[in-house]
Amino acid sequence: GESVGLHLPTLSVQEGDNSIINCAYSNSASDYFIWYKQESGKGPQFIIDIRSNMDKRQGQRVTVLLNKTVKHLSLQIAATQPGDSAVYFCAVTFSGGYNKLIFGAGTRLAVHP
Amino acid sequence: GAVVSQHPSRVICKSGTSVKIECRSLDFQATTMFWYRQFPKQSLMLMATSNEGSKATYEQGVEKDKFLINHASLTLSTLTVTSAHPEDSSFYICSAPPMGYGYTFGSGTRLTVV
Repeated sequence: GESVGLHLPTLSVQEGDNSIINCAYSNSASDYFIWYKQESGKGPQFIIDIRSNMDKRQGQRVTVLLNKTVKHLSLQIAATQPGDSAVYFCAVTFSGGYNKLIFGAGTRLAVHP
Repeated sequence: GAVVSQHPSRVICKSGTSVKIECRSLDFQATTMFWYRQFPKQSLMLMATSNEGSKATYEQGVEKDKFLINHASLTLSTLTVTSAHPEDSSFYICSAPPMGYGYTFGSGTRLTVV
């Protein structure tokens, strides 16, 4: 089966700094990767996604990097703001997985002024 | 974009009673919906996949008779927690498969069993 984990359970950054959140996955058949942001008491909010045929994708202030060789992906947030404080999850799905989305453990990002 | 509406947002019930949670796709049809459970400070754990017009597929370790899932139409999936106990208290979230990008999630239901 798939297992998805995160390297850091919490991350504290200063406002304005860049944040990097990491995620490791185990199934080499994983082909679709998504980062979600979850605020307390709410459902996950889509941030950015990437497919296995790419190694980098950029959005507004966010970048996702995918390294299939070591089964690792990261989320980079530029100029982190207080509103970015939340729990961030990576989630993956894989071919033959019936579209099931499997979540990593989550990293809490705390942005300090 | 795709919108998934989940109700209720919060529910408190007595131990031994049943609670129904609804998940509706508002602007699209969903033949499949996913149900997750999330305990405090933990990740989302997939419970089951509901399939319109057929039986749900449950993940290993999830009790089928306790968590009844019905997907009677292309816009509505329901999760019923039967004979609820305090250990069933959790945050339940539904989602729909990708419509263009990402999976769309409902806003979640906070279930408290007293």
